Amino acid sequence: GENVEQHPSTLSVQEGDSAVIKCTYSDSASNYFPWYKQELGKRPQLIIDIRSNVGEKKDQRIAVTLNKTAKHFSLHITETQPEDSAVYFCAVEDRDDKIIFGKGTRLHILP
Amino acid sequence: AAGVIQSPRHLIKEKRETATLKCYPIPRHDTVYWYQQGPGQDPQFLISFYEKMQSDKGSIPDRFSAQQFSDYHSELNMSSLELGDSALYFCASVPGPGHDTQYFGPGTRLTVL
Repeated sequence: GENVEQHPSTLSVQEGDSAVIKCTYSDSASNYFPWYKQELGKRPQLIIDIRSNVGEKKDQRIAVTLNKTAKHFSLHITETQPEDSAVYFCAVEDRDDKIIFGKGTRLHILP
Repeated sequence: AAGVIQSPRHLIKEKRETATLKCYPIPRHDTVYWYQQGPGQDPQFLISFYEKMQSDKGSIPDRFSAQQFSDYHSELNMSSLELGDSALYFCASVPGPGHDTQYFGPGTRLTVL
């Protein structure tokens, strides 16, 4: 089955700096890659997603890049703000349409 | 806009008791997924339903069962509860085949004492 690896597990960045979270996956047939932000005790919130026919997608301060050949995709957050502090999960939709999550990255935005 | 509804939001049970969690998908969504998220863990897929039929099964214990009803709501039944079942249980709904985005409910926090 699909295997998703996410790094780093914890990330601290100064407010205003950029944060990058990276994920790899194993099944070349996967073609949908969502990113979720989860605050403590809350539901995962979809923040951006990308499909395999696109290499990059941007939404304001958030961007995702996808390299299908290398089977990796990354989340980029620019001009980080305190409210960006949360756990971020990358995910891959497997060939059976279920979402396989990475282990998560706890992002701390330092004042 | 209507969102996914889960009930109850919090549930406390004793070991060996039974629990039933309910999920009401967004109107006109016919596909439901259940996930279990332990403390500090990523959500783990349990089971999914499409048009009232089980479509896929993940790491769901035999003590758990689920079904989807004619109004598309789904229930997760958990018997012989164990301490390790304490977790957040999310359901997510999807409009149907060909749609990728899963819309998550607020979750049910189950605590087993």
